[in-house]
Amino acid sequence: KNEVEQSPQNLTAQEGEFITINCSYSVGISALHWLQQHPGGGIVSLFMLSSGKKKHGRLIATINIQEKHSSLHITASHPRDSAVYICAVRSTAGNQFYFGTGTSLTVIP
Amino acid sequence: DTAVSQTPKYLVTQMGNDKSIKCEQNLGHDTMYWYKQDSKKFLKIMFSYNNKELIINETVPNRFSPKSPDKAHLNLHINSLELGDSAVYFCASSQNSGGSGYTFGSGTRLTVV
Repeated sequence: KNEVEQSPQNLTAQEGEFITINCSYSVGISALHWLQQHPGGGIVSLFMLSSGKKKHGRLIATINIQEKHSSLHITASHPRDSAVYICAVRSTAGNQFYFGTGTSLTVIP
Repeated sequence: DTAVSQTPKYLVTQMGNDKSIKCEQNLGHDTMYWYKQDSKKFLKIMFSYNNKELIINETVPNRFSPKSPDKAHLNLHINSLELGDSAVYFCASSQNSGGSGYTFGSGTRLTVV
């Protein structure tokens, strides 16, 4: 079983829809990252969270440390949001990094 | 002016060869990483250096050896390449070992034939 589980694996949405991607993890963490990988392969770090909520433009990331769960929300989705979104955590034990398998998002015009 | 640059972008080589991938960051970050992304697009950390000191060394074959001549560079040398080494290798850096300001390179697609 993977230390980081994401859902859904694949998501197709109409332009303008509100999107939520979920991430659950099973280890104690010092930080959680949301990454975006574009179809061309490049990876961009969207957020690093250790508590609460962060917002950047149309993207919002939340984390609940007690429930070991994080969500990434995209408001007013746009075709350019189409990408793979990856959740990654840095564990407190042994300084390990664990990655989710990614959520592939396609936003249709 | 690329923040984290990797070279080469593509590398095709025969089994048994030795090859290196170079990574440089101009962000003044203290920590650098190497990741491997397999054919199923699963990312896995390989190594991390903080101020030239190895801090993460995941279970990878010892044919893979990272070298950090200074904190702006982290190169990856691979000996005796095998077919299973074919993957995309990403270099990344962050301000510190906590992961702030995480920035990725554009990746090196390695194909072993």
